[in-house]
Amino acid sequence: SQTIHQWPATLVQPVGSPLSLECTVEGTSNPNLYWYRQAAGRGLQLLFYSVGIGQISSEVPQNLSASRPQDRQFILSSKKLLLSDSGFYLCAWSGLAGADNSPLHFGNGTRLTVT
Amino acid sequence: AQSVTQPDIHITVSEGASLELRCNYSYGATPYLFWYVQSPGQGLQLLLKYFSGDTLVQGIKGFEAEFKRSQSSFNLRKPSVHWSDAAEYFCAVVARSGYALNFGKGTSLLVTP
Repeated sequence: SQTIHQWPATLVQPVGSPLSLECTVEGTSNPNLYWYRQAAGRGLQLLFYSVGIGQISSEVPQNLSASRPQDRQFILSSKKLLLSDSGFYLCAWSGLAGADNSPLHFGNGTRLTVT
Repeated sequence: AQSVTQPDIHITVSEGASLELRCNYSYGATPYLFWYVQSPGQGLQLLLKYFSGDTLVQGIKGFEAEFKRSQSSFNLRKPSVHWSDAAEYFCAVVARSGYALNFGKGTSLLVTP
């Protein structure tokens, strides 16, 4: 069966520090991968999605970036964190055909607090 | 513009009472529709989905949802709520040619004894 792992579960970082959140999927090949951010009262905001290695689409311009160095690995990064980057970050995957006929499967999320 | 709206930010129901959570969407054509549930500090779990066919779909944990094209709605229902149903519920929509889900802002469900 497919599983998705996301770490760390919680992270406290000072403003201006770098960020690296990692997500890996097991049990499937060539998944579509997604990073969402959830801020209190604002629902889920799609940040990035990827349909293949090295292919990244950005939905929201910001100081975050994403990379997909391997088929089942998706990394969210920042060179310098802002206070506004605090939130709950969720990684998700869907089947090859995309979210339209394959639901998203979510990791357990990373709670990021920027101080 | 494409959008999905959950009009109720918070809902409180008594244990054993029925529940209906509202979801409306605005898309050019009928999209694919989903409901997810999120327990505190956790990721999202898929409750049910609608792609085509029967407009009343059954999901896990006793939930169901009804797609109404004329009202552009996809409301989630449960006949008898349990205390363990207290969570955040998200309606999500994706265009049939799209990749990524568009989520509503969520409805927080509180269940009282």
